This record gives sequence, C-alpha cells and structure tokens, in this order.
Amino acid sequence: AQTVTQSQPEMSVQEAETVTLSCTYDTSESNYYLFWYKQPPSRQMILVIRQEAYKQQNATENRFSVNFQKAAKSFSLKISDSQLGDTAMYFCAFMFKAAGNKLTFGGGTRVLVKP
Amino acid sequence: EPEVTQTPSHQVTQMGQEVILRCVPISNHLYFYWYRQILGQKVEFLVSFYNNEISEKSEIFDDQFSVERPDGSNFTLKIRSTKLEDSAMYFCASIPGTANTEAFFGQGTRLTVV
Repeated sequence: AQTVTQSQPEMSVQEAETVTLSCTYDTSESNYYLFWYKQPPSRQMILVIRQEAYKQQNATENRFSVNFQKAAKSFSLKISDSQLGDTAMYFCAFMFKAAGNKLTFGGGTRVLVKP
Repeated sequence: EPEVTQTPSHQVTQMGQEVILRCVPISNHLYFYWYRQILGQKVEFLVSFYNNEISEKSEIFDDQFSVERPDGSNFTLKIRSTKLEDSAMYFCASIPGTANTEAFFGQGTRLTVV
C-alpha cells in the first residue's frame, strides 16, 4: 500500500515571499503520478500541479513548482511570490495508474499568507 | 468549463436514517470516485466506479455504503443507516480516462449526523 506523509501541519509566509511544502511517499511501484491539491476555505479540492514519475523534469505552473526526487521519494511544492489567495490547506497525493487511478492523500499542510 | 456538481451542499440527518448524496460527473468521463474527509483530517478514498461497477473499495466502504449510476449521468452514494462517525465532507470526483489522470472534484457535500 502507498502512504503519503506531509510533515508540516502548518506554515505561514509573508505576502510576496516563498514557501516550500514537503511531502514524502512510500511505494514499490515505478509508474505513478504525484499531485498537489489546494483546498481553500470553500473546501473544494483544486488541482495545483501534477508530476509524472517517469519524467525527470520538475513540473511548473506559474508561481507553483515542484522538486521531485524520485530516489528519495520526495515531492515538495514551492509557492513563489505568495498571494493572500494562496491561503489554504495543501494536500500532496499519489496515484498508481494500475490501481484504478485512485488518489492517496497526505495529511495536509495549512498555509497562511500574511499581508 | 465543465464541472462536477454535487447536491446537496449540506445535509443534516438523524442517526440511523438513510441518506443519498448525489453527484453529476463531467459527461464524457469514465472513472468515478467518492472520497471522504472527516473535519480536520485527511481526504480518504471510499470507492471507485468504472464501466457500471465498483472497481475498488476501501475498508471504510462497508455494507452500509452503496453506489449507483442509475441513469448514465448521476452518480450516487447511499449510506443506509447513518452513524455519528459518518459526519464528514463527501467529495465526488471523476477522471476522463486512463490517458488523463487529472481528477476533477465536486464542491463536496457536508454530512452532519445528529
């Protein structure tokens, strides 16, 4: 079974600064996907960024980028130029394609962006 | 932009009552899921549904739970006899197919069992 661990329950960052959220996972599989989801106070789950395990290049989406270290099973998210609207829970998630594409989530990190 | 729609947004029910949570996935998607999030905890997988049948279920998804896709558009989660510990946010999600792994989530239904 896959497990996903987010070791930081809460982080705060000043507006316009950078914050990095950590995520580690455990799997014996080689073909999988990793995701970061944002959950604002509205509670809806919003995809932030996705990484395919067979791609060495780190994914980037505007101000969001990941540092994917496959050997270390680490998948951190960097939020650059933090904005007040980035305040939310952030969940790291793992998907093993042969397992019906279900997501296994980490416990989440609450990010508070301060003005 | 197409979206996954869930109703109701909030449901309050008496312990022991049956509830049905409804979802309309994106129309051309093939895989459907229910996830649960107890307040302050992680999001947990309940069940996946593909080709009109359950493809996988978690240990949480016991005999009290069932899913249906009765008419090709709606995707429902039924809890037969609710318990206090069923109080949670329930999310429906859908995925287009095996080539596209992005899961689209609904806005969730908050279930409160009293």
